[in-house]
Amino acid sequence: AQSVTQPDIHITVSEGASLELRCNYSYGATPYLFWYVQSPGQGLQLLLKYFSGDTLVQGIKGFEAEFKRSQSSFNLRKPSVHWSDAAEYFCAVAPNQAGTALIFGKGTTLSVSS
Amino acid sequence: GAVVSQHPSRVICKSGTSVKIECRSLDFQATTMFWYRQFPKQSLMLMATSNEGSKATYEQGVEKDKFLINHASLTLSTLTVTSAHPEDSSFYICSARGPGTNEKLFFGSGTQLSVL
Repeated sequence: AQSVTQPDIHITVSEGASLELRCNYSYGATPYLFWYVQSPGQGLQLLLKYFSGDTLVQGIKGFEAEFKRSQSSFNLRKPSVHWSDAAEYFCAVAPNQAGTALIFGKGTTLSVSS
Repeated sequence: GAVVSQHPSRVICKSGTSVKIECRSLDFQATTMFWYRQFPKQSLMLMATSNEGSKATYEQGVEKDKFLINHASLTLSTLTVTSAHPEDSSFYICSARGPGTNEKLFFGSGTQLSVL
């Protein structure tokens, strides 16, 4: 069965420090992978997605993620975290890029300390 | 960019009453809408998928008679929680996509339902 695991429930990083949020997936074929961010009181916003090609994907707000097939991972990174990045982050997988609902991980809450 | 408006953002109701949540696509035709629920510290779980003009397809374990979904137009889908009970208290969120094969998903801001 398809599944997404985000091992870290809550992470705290200092402002200006680097960030990596982990995501592992289980899927039989080539997955379509997504990272979403949910700020308090807001809807989910797509940060980036991977369909094919270059395994290092650039997204909005300075985020990037790297697809590693051998590790079934799609970790999200940011070189320098800003206080406004505090939010909940969801990794998701879909069996195709059109028409099928996403399967989400449980999310990682990011806190940013000053 | 495309916007999905979800209303209300928060609702408190008495047990046994029904609650309607609206999800509107403001600047595109949402041929497909998805409804999710999220319990605290849990992942978003898909409840149902609705295509405009068709009956919704419910995920296993979701009671279709309790969670009524209507997608009568290309810009509006509603989720009605009938005879709500405290265990229905959750965060409900909709997402919508247009008719193209590479259309992005856009999410509403969610509705926090509290049933007393």
